[in-house]
Amino acid sequence: AQSVTQLDSQVPVFEEAPVELRCNYSSSVSVYLFWYVQYPNQGLQLLLKYLSGSTLVKGINGFEAEFNKSQTSFHLRKPSVHISDTAEYFCAPGLTGGSYIPTFGRGTSLIVHP
Amino acid sequence: EPEVTQTPSHQVTQMGQEVILRCVPISNHLYFYWYRQILGQKVEFLVSFYNNEISEKSEIFDDQFSVERPDGSNFTLKIRSTKLEDSAMYFCASILAEETQYFGPGTRLLVL
Repeated sequence: AQSVTQLDSQVPVFEEAPVELRCNYSSSVSVYLFWYVQYPNQGLQLLLKYLSGSTLVKGINGFEAEFNKSQTSFHLRKPSVHISDTAEYFCAPGLTGGSYIPTFGRGTSLIVHP
Repeated sequence: EPEVTQTPSHQVTQMGQEVILRCVPISNHLYFYWYRQILGQKVEFLVSFYNNEISEKSEIFDDQFSVERPDGSNFTLKIRSTKLEDSAMYFCASILAEETQYFGPGTRLLVL
């Protein structure tokens, strides 16, 4: 079964500072990788995805993530955060190899302070 | 921009009652999903549906759950006899073919 570890349950950061949200997964096969964001009182929205090709993936709102196969990591980064980035972020590998069904981690709460 | 909609936004029910959660996926999408998120916990996959049948389901999706696409627009999740532990936010999602899932805003179900 797929296992996802988001190492930080909460990440407080000041506005305009850089941020990294960490994600590690366990899989014996190659899987697709997704990051989703959930703003307060809203549904889930795809931030970015890795399917194949370049290991550095750019997403919406200035976020990017790097796939590291040897470390089975897919950390999410943003060089300068805004107050509006305050949300819950979910790392989500595919259910199985070749699956587009995300298996969600527990989430990291990003809290951006002015 | 087209979006997935869900009704109701909130539902309160008594334990043992049946509930039907409704979703209207994006109109030309072909694959449909239900997820749930118990308060304070992670989002969990329940079931996927394609071509009028279940394509995958998790161990959570037992005989108490069923899904249906009764017409060309709605996609429903039925819980036959609700339990306290069914209290959660239920999300519907749809995709056209592969890749990006579009999620609805969710239905918050409270079982008393």
